[in-house]
Amino acid sequence: SQQGEEDPQALSIQEGENATMNCSYKTSINNLQWYRQNSGRGLVHLILIRSNEREKHSGRLRVTLDTSKKSSSLLITASRAADTASYFCATGTGTYKYIFGTGTRLKVLA
Amino acid sequence: NAGVTQTPKFQVLKTGQSMTLQCAQDMNHEYMSWYRQDPGMGLRLIHYSVGAGITDQGEVPNGYNVSRSTTEDFPLRLLSAAPSQTSVYFCASRGTSSSYNEQFFGPGTRLTVL
Repeated sequence: SQQGEEDPQALSIQEGENATMNCSYKTSINNLQWYRQNSGRGLVHLILIRSNEREKHSGRLRVTLDTSKKSSSLLITASRAADTASYFCATGTGTYKYIFGTGTRLKVLA
Repeated sequence: NAGVTQTPKFQVLKTGQSMTLQCAQDMNHEYMSWYRQDPGMGLRLIHYSVGAGITDQGEVPNGYNVSRSTTEDFPLRLLSAAPSQTSVYFCASRGTSSSYNEQFFGPGTRLTVL
């Protein structure tokens, strides 16, 4: 069963614009992480937000978490062609396991 | 550091054949895991290990075996391959068992079962 569902499934924007993708989940979590996957490659960790945090920044990335709505958003500001990738949220519900969402495919047009 | 390495990168099997996907990490990580990625499904956890000699099942363990005899290696065995096991397989590791730590992923193995 999928814990995380990303929205939208696909997103196409112009270089320089902001990209926002959302993740909804079903059960209580202790942290939520965002990963990037370039085509044909493994996943790369972007940012982690704990359940007691509401917002976190890392460079051009901004993540928010609303535990009352069981949702998170990832904002990429001033997007670049190199940001073209799939983005996944992963929820940590216990000590050992993450559950990944289905991903958002982002395409940034030069 | 090579990070997390996986071999082979590509593999084609016939139904009923067995094979082992190799995974190794050189970061002295305690926790290792295997995922499969199918179109539109995200990543699903197959098996994981919290240290040498300790393994446990994930979300989709049927048809797969694992063992962890050393900290570095975590092979995944397909016992009798089926077309439903056609997928991309990723191995991952992290420093401790705590889910507060990021995972490091290998480049993946693309498996096709005919």
